Amino acid sequence: EAGVAQSPRYKIIEKRQSVAFWCNPISGHATLYWYQQILGQGPKLLIQFQNNGVVDDSQLPKDRFSAERLKGVDSTLKIQPAKLEDSAVYLCASSLEMGRKNTEAFFGQGTRLTVV
Amino acid sequence: KQEVTQIPAALSVPEGENLVLNCSFTDSAIYNLQWFRQDPGKGLTSLLLIQSSQREQTSGRLNASLDKSSGRSTLYIAASQPGDSATYLCAVRGNYGQNFVFGPGTRLSVLP
Repeated sequence: EAGVAQSPRYKIIEKRQSVAFWCNPISGHATLYWYQQILGQGPKLLIQFQNNGVVDDSQLPKDRFSAERLKGVDSTLKIQPAKLEDSAVYLCASSLEMGRKNTEAFFGQGTRLTVV
Repeated sequence: KQEVTQIPAALSVPEGENLVLNCSFTDSAIYNLQWFRQDPGKGLTSLLLIQSSQREQTSGRLNASLDKSSGRSTLYIAASQPGDSATYLCAVRGNYGQNFVFGPGTRLSVLP
């Protein structure tokens, strides 16, 4: 079974530029998450989708971050414009569906963003 | 608001030792708890998932326990090996939301 795929693996941009990350979850997984992990900290949820609907985006900085999952499969996360404090690893995860107690989350390799 | 802490922040042990990593959470109304491993520059690898109704789960040399009432989970690693060196993260999923809240992790070094 293929895992969660993310691209690119690394990205370096200047502040105020735009950047986009892509995620393809495990086939059949209805729930998709984007997490931000700053160096030395645990991951923090940015947004959670159930199919193509947003379940939780309460911690997403909506003035600069946006995400979509148009067909309920793959997803893109965009930052525009980027700030220095956005330097982090952006992790995508997926799980089978909400409402199942034994649902395990699987993570991709992440995209390491450096804003200079 | 759920808060998750992990103690210790870092741990260095000689090869062969048995060790315990601790995870604490403030809201006991959890759906499940998952332990992950993260190697430098990599994503998270799932180790064990414990349902809210379970007390423990085992996989190979790993054993995770859950005491929901006291808001604690422990990850026990038997006969540690240098390949176990990584950061270990615990994450809890609440009853009323399906996203995970993570602890800051424990950075483990197993010395040969």
